[in-house]
Amino acid sequence: NAGVTQTPKFQVLKTGQSMTLQCAQDMNHEYMSWYRQDPGMGLRLIHYSVGAGITDQGEVPNGYNVSRSTTEDFPLRLLSAAPSQTSVYFCASSVTGTETQYFGPGTRLLVL
Amino acid sequence: SQQGEEDPQALSIQEGENATMNCSYKTSINNLQWYRQNSGRGLVHLILIRSNEREKHSGRLRVTLDTSKKSSSLLITASRAADTASYFCATAQSGNTPLVFGKGTRLSVIA
Repeated sequence: NAGVTQTPKFQVLKTGQSMTLQCAQDMNHEYMSWYRQDPGMGLRLIHYSVGAGITDQGEVPNGYNVSRSTTEDFPLRLLSAAPSQTSVYFCASSVTGTETQYFGPGTRLLVL
Repeated sequence: SQQGEEDPQALSIQEGENATMNCSYKTSINNLQWYRQNSGRGLVHLILIRSNEREKHSGRLRVTLDTSKKSSSLLITASRAADTASYFCATAQSGNTPLVFGKGTRLSVIA
């Protein structure tokens, strides 16, 4: 099992560009989520999904879109990148939202 | 908003010493979890303690939970340089509501 995979590992964008951060899991987990991690801020939830076709907003959803067409994949889209979106992004999956979360290795994003 | 709050923010100890980190939270919980993050890596789950449990062990880790004080502690005994990492607590409420993470404790173990 690969667990939770994220691509790319590192990305540089210019302000206004769009991109998709990929996240996939092979554990047949229904629950998936996206967090961003900034220095001194801990992890903040962006969006989450309790199953295919169902998504919901977290604490900091503005500027991000998600969709969940399959159980395995949960991509995060940045519509128009801003310097404030410079961060490290983590995807996680779990059986449910309250049980052990399995994290991917992260995507480091720099917006210039 | 962050529910769990770790204390201290940073901790530096000598190899072989014990390290204790605390987590306080505000509302009732279903369970509380501790995670470790090595520099530049994703978070790794360490231990989950449910609201009806008071203490749990895993190897050199000991977690306690006091629901009356809304607090938990993580004890790492006989620490090693490899324990150097950030440690986060996360609280789970009910149903499928997402985990809420604290800001973490940065532990440095000096050889």
